[in-house]
Amino acid sequence: QKEVEQDPGPLSVPEGAIVSLNCTYSNSAFQYFMWYRQYSRKGPELLMYTYSSGNKEDGRFTAQVDKSSKYISLFIRDSQPSDSATYLCAMGTGRRALTFGSGTRLQVQP
Amino acid sequence: EAEVAQSPRYKITEKSQAVAFWCDPISGHATLYWYRQILGQGPELLVQFQDESVVDDSQLPKDRFSAERLKGVDSTLKIQPAELGDSAMYLCASSSIQGATGELFFGEGSRLTVL
Repeated sequence: QKEVEQDPGPLSVPEGAIVSLNCTYSNSAFQYFMWYRQYSRKGPELLMYTYSSGNKEDGRFTAQVDKSSKYISLFIRDSQPSDSATYLCAMGTGRRALTFGSGTRLQVQP
Repeated sequence: EAEVAQSPRYKITEKSQAVAFWCDPISGHATLYWYRQILGQGPELLVQFQDESVVDDSQLPKDRFSAERLKGVDSTLKIQPAELGDSAMYLCASSSIQGATGELFFGEGSRLTVL
């Protein structure tokens, strides 16, 4: 079993929809939680960063962490065609390198 | 804006040949990572450097893969001999802080196809 599980999609939504992306994990030591966005043929770029449990909002993006359920989410409001990409959750502890999920491919239809 | 540079962007090789990838991290970033990303999957860590020292290479297939960062700046990842299953994107990332507390900055990757 992988430490981080993520539904690969693809997920197709109409422009303006609210998107929900999720990951589950098994390592209770994880304290740092991130979402990276990866456009086709590009390297991932950091989208959201959360430490421990709670919510964090940045514009149209909201990240949620529920450590009791070992579950993290990324919500995208008013989705745009430019949001079409693969979204990777990532998490880690202290000095250890990040562990990534397999990524969810999102397609926002105009 | 500072970027992580990688070369080559694309490499096609035949199995059993040797391949090398180069990475130049953002200036001043002491931590450097090599990740492998197979199509449709997430990045998987191959090796982590702190300056010129290897911090974690537990997932590096050492019978065929090697990585070095001799002067603690740029880094080279080598595969010899290449196998069909090595076809993937090889991503280099750097950070100013070691581990999960630091933001990773990724290069655009080196896509390897082994025939």
